[in-house]
Amino acid sequence: EAGVAQSPRYKIIEKRQSVAFWCNPISGHATLYWYQRILGQGPKLLIQFQNNGVVDDSQLPKDRFSAERLKGVDSTLKIQPAKLEDSAVYLCASSPSDGSYGYTFGSGTRLTVV
Amino acid sequence: GEDVEQSLFLSVREGDSSVINCTYTDSSSTYLYWYKQEPGAGLQLLTYIFSNMDMKQDQRLTVLLNKKDKHLSLRIADTQTGDSAIYFCAETASAGKSTFGDGTTLTVKP
Repeated sequence: EAGVAQSPRYKIIEKRQSVAFWCNPISGHATLYWYQRILGQGPKLLIQFQNNGVVDDSQLPKDRFSAERLKGVDSTLKIQPAKLEDSAVYLCASSPSDGSYGYTFGSGTRLTVV
Repeated sequence: GEDVEQSLFLSVREGDSSVINCTYTDSSSTYLYWYKQEPGAGLQLLTYIFSNMDMKQDQRLTVLLNKKDKHLSLRIADTQTGDSAIYFCAETASAGKSTFGDGTTLTVKP
């Protein structure tokens, strides 16, 4: 089966600019996650969708970050305006149901804010 | 909140066994996982263990869980240079949300 697709692979922007990331999960996977991985740290959950509804967005900085999952399939994560500390790899993952048996991750988008 | 801790680095010689350790704080964890990230690649699920199990073996990989001490370990037998990667421990307590450790970088020397 095709894996989790993410784009772009790399993005460099100036602070205060906006940026968007796209994720296409494995077909049929109900649950989609966005994680942020800062260099030297483990992935931190930003938001979890079940189909097209939000399950958990408690760690999403809602003043600058937004995410949506249209029709319960693709998802976009947006940052506006970006700060230097947003430099990280943004990982999308999906799972068939509640994630009990682990996730399938995409390759991630490496964001550099200068 | 939930916390998962791992040592940052481990170096072994090719052919030796590697043991990567992890501790977690959430006593309601139901599943625990090991993910592997090779250079330039995404995280890949290696194996998982349900919290009512003590051990799980899969070819060269052995996972041990001590639920009383909230300690998880991953043993890789006959470690090869291709095993060099970052290994992440993770746990799930509720609603499928996983908390990850910061990763252990395994270096295998020939």
